[in-house]
Amino acid sequence: DIQMTQSPSTLSASVGDRVTITCRASQSISTWLAWYQQKPGKAPSLLIYKASALESGVPSRFSGSGSGTEFTLTISSLQPDDFATYYCQQYYTQYTFGQGTKLEIK
Amino acid sequence: QVQLVQSGSELKEPGASVKVSCKASGYSFSNYGINWVRQAPGQGLEWMGWINTDTGNPTYAQGFTGRFVFSLDTSVSTAYLQITSLKADDTAVFYCARVEFDHGYDFWGQGTLVTVSS
Repeated sequence: DIQMTQSPSTLSASVGDRVTITCRASQSISTWLAWYQQKPGKAPSLLIYKASALESGVPSRFSGSGSGTEFTLTISSLQPDDFATYYCQQYYTQYTFGQGTKLEIK
Repeated sequence: QVQLVQSGSELKEPGASVKVSCKASGYSFSNYGINWVRQAPGQGLEWMGWINTDTGNPTYAQGFTGRFVFSLDTSVSTAYLQITSLKADDTAVFYCARVEFDHGYDFWGQGTLVTVSS
């Protein structure tokens, strides 16, 4: 099975900050990677697919990059609505989620 | 518009069974697979498996074989998750999600909380 490891587990930041979350795969997954945002009590929502493709309706301050085993999600200028938990997911072989990164207000 | 609407919260005793439904609308049901995801209280997302809505063929993730069954009723565009012999650690929110090839999970149900307690 492919394992996905996110870092950090928790990230404290302020409105306006640029933040980056990293996701590492236990083997190469090409660009078969998605990022999701989840707010408390809500279903996750898709932000990025194919490692760098922005889902329709997602603000352009979100971007994804990477291929192979290392990937990043970047938020260029944090907005109040962005404080949430973020998950990566590989879909190269079946599906696996990372353990999540909680983005907190500093 | 695309929607996945799940059945409501359930409270079950240990040993009982539960069947969660996920009703799709706004798109051709058989064109997209349905995945199931578990989220235990305070924990992350865990992929349970998926069902091919065209063939009805289910695929189960490790750890979700035996007591977990995915099924369909294509006449009403609905997918089901049945869990038998419930245990306390089955307590979780269960989500269904639509999957499009190479696109990830673009639409999710609202989640169904299953609580297992005596």
